[in-house]
Amino acid sequence: AQSVTQPDIHITVSEGASLELRCNYSYGATPYLFWYVQSPGQGLQLLLKYFSGDTLVQGIKGFEAEFKRSQSSFNLRKPSVHWSDAAEYFCAVVPGNTPLVFGKGTRLSVIA
Amino acid sequence: DGGITQSPKYLFRKEGQNVTLSCEQNLNHDAMYWYRQDPGQGLRLIYYSQIVNDFQKGDIAEGYSVSREKKESFPLTVTSAQKNPTAFYLCASSAPVAGLKPEAFFGQGTRLTVV
Repeated sequence: AQSVTQPDIHITVSEGASLELRCNYSYGATPYLFWYVQSPGQGLQLLLKYFSGDTLVQGIKGFEAEFKRSQSSFNLRKPSVHWSDAAEYFCAVVPGNTPLVFGKGTRLSVIA
Repeated sequence: DGGITQSPKYLFRKEGQNVTLSCEQNLNHDAMYWYRQDPGQGLRLIYYSQIVNDFQKGDIAEGYSVSREKKESFPLTVTSAQKNPTAFYLCASSAPVAGLKPEAFFGQGTRLTVV
């Protein structure tokens, strides 16, 4: 069955530092890939998505992600983190005509 | 503005009672979903519907029921058979995959607490 792994449960970074959140998926073909962000007590907001084409995709709020087929990965990056980026981040896949499958999330804390 | 509306935001239920969570969308999306979120567990799929009058069980459907009588609405009933219903519930919708827009749009969630 398709699955999504986010190896890091919690990450703490300093404001202004770079960020990389890891995501690996298990699926035979190339799925649709997504990153969502969730603030406490809120719904999920789409940061970016990958369907095909250029493997480096740009999203909102200065985030980008790179699809690497050989590693089955879709890691999220940001060159300089702001305090407002503190939230929970979810990687998700749509492996065909089925609902989104989510990873368990990575909680990001930002310190001054 | 188009979007997904979940109500209520907070809900309290006594043990043994059924309760219905509302989800309405005006995005003209065919597919709708219910996810349950618990700390450290990510989002787990309860039910989904890809077309009116049809729905499928997700990974954790036991103790829940849904209906899809209208395209815009996909209410979730948490029954007394659900052993641990306290959680954050998220409703989502998406356009068909054939439209190459399979990303889901989410409501703001309903926090259900059993007292």
